[in-house]
Amino acid sequence: AQKITQTQPGMFVQEKEAVTLDCTYDTSDQSYGLFWYKQPSSGEMIFLIYQGSYDEQNATEGRYSLNFQKARKSANLVISASQLGDSAMYFCAMGNTGGFKTIFGAGTRLFVKA
Amino acid sequence: DAGVTQSPTHLIKTRGQHVTLRCSPISGHKSVSWYQQVLGQGPQFIFQYYEKEERGRGNFPDRFSARQFPNYSSELNVNALLLGDSALYLCASSLVAGPTFNEQFFGPGTRLTVL
Repeated sequence: AQKITQTQPGMFVQEKEAVTLDCTYDTSDQSYGLFWYKQPSSGEMIFLIYQGSYDEQNATEGRYSLNFQKARKSANLVISASQLGDSAMYFCAMGNTGGFKTIFGAGTRLFVKA
Repeated sequence: DAGVTQSPTHLIKTRGQHVTLRCSPISGHKSVSWYQQVLGQGPQFIFQYYEKEERGRGNFPDRFSARQFPNYSSELNVNALLLGDSALYLCASSLVAGPTFNEQFFGPGTRLTVL
């Protein structure tokens, strides 16, 4: 069965510093995709970054990068130069080969301190 | 361009009632997925529809059903509501559904409260 695990219920980071949010996954599929979403208190889910299982390079999108370690089945999100607006819930998710089902982790709440 | 829209925004029902939630995908998107997000948890996959056919179903009871219309909008129906059905229901649309990456765009959600 597929599973996403986020072990950090809450994280604090000082403004302008970098922070890593952990995500491990379990799947028997060879082809899959890993996603990170941000959910502010308003509730909408905002797509941040994607990593395919066959992508050799770690994905980057602006201040977001995904540290993909396939052998360890981890897909950690790194946010550089944290901003106050980064305070939100962050969810790691995995899509299966057919793209018909996406499973989410329990989330990590990030607090950015001024 | 309009994003994914959902209606209603908020809804209060009592146990045993029926509810219908609606979702309009981004123009041109043919796939719609539904998720349930209980407070403090991550979204749980309920259904995915593509080209008006069900392509995926999560571990939800038969009280949950959905359909997709010719214009690709979708309805999620929940019968015999239970207190545990109280949640934020999220709809997401994507261009296609298949083995390659398809970014999902989420709507603002419908907050359902069951009393």
